[in-house]
Amino acid sequence: GAGVSQTPSNKVTEKGKYVELRCDPISGHTALYWYRQSLGQGPEFLIYFQGTGAADDSGLPNDRFFAVRPEGSVSTLKIQRTERGDSAVYLCASSLTSGEQFFGPGTRLTVL
Amino acid sequence: GESVGLHLPTLSVQEGDNSIINCAYSNSASDYFIWYKQESGKGPQFIIDIRSNMDKRQGQRVTVLLNKTVKHLSLQIAATQPGDSAVYFCAESRSGNTPLVFGKGTRLSVIA
Repeated sequence: GAGVSQTPSNKVTEKGKYVELRCDPISGHTALYWYRQSLGQGPEFLIYFQGTGAADDSGLPNDRFFAVRPEGSVSTLKIQRTERGDSAVYLCASSLTSGEQFFGPGTRLTVL
Repeated sequence: GESVGLHLPTLSVQEGDNSIINCAYSNSASDYFIWYKQESGKGPQFIIDIRSNMDKRQGQRVTVLLNKTVKHLSLQIAATQPGDSAVYFCAESRSGNTPLVFGKGTRLSVIA
């Protein structure tokens, strides 16, 4: 398939642990976005990459959250010292230089 | 999978009837608007978009109406089918390649 893929689909971790969530965008898409969706809410923006650089990281809630996209394709969202409040579905989307954002299926993170 | 849309406003329609889902957006500077459909356990799926220089756009069985004066967006679905049952979100952005701001979702329930 040629859509956005995210791994793992589910991640259960303990409070205080470190987690990495991966996003593989659609080939050729230069823009990549991370969103977080809590139960019963719409997705909320975290960070946006244009190529390798973070064009806007204003949605990251605190310095425990970090994301990289070293080669302008795959991106990894990293969360340090996880807290129970970090539990949510983390969505990745990609797009060409402008226009429609295509979403992946998300990673459901549960922090016990 | 993750269940989205708990405690969201719900619209129940009879199969074959038309559905209208409304959304109020927040930023008068937004010039690009999108409707997404989200089924349980999946990422948002693009339905239709509209730019601010238009007030109506039609797709297959769907129509989006934009009223910039009152910052209101609506999605009309013709001949609603059981497969249309999902949570629907409107989203806004500036220039189409910036992070999306999602509105509160509406759960559409189609009664066969």
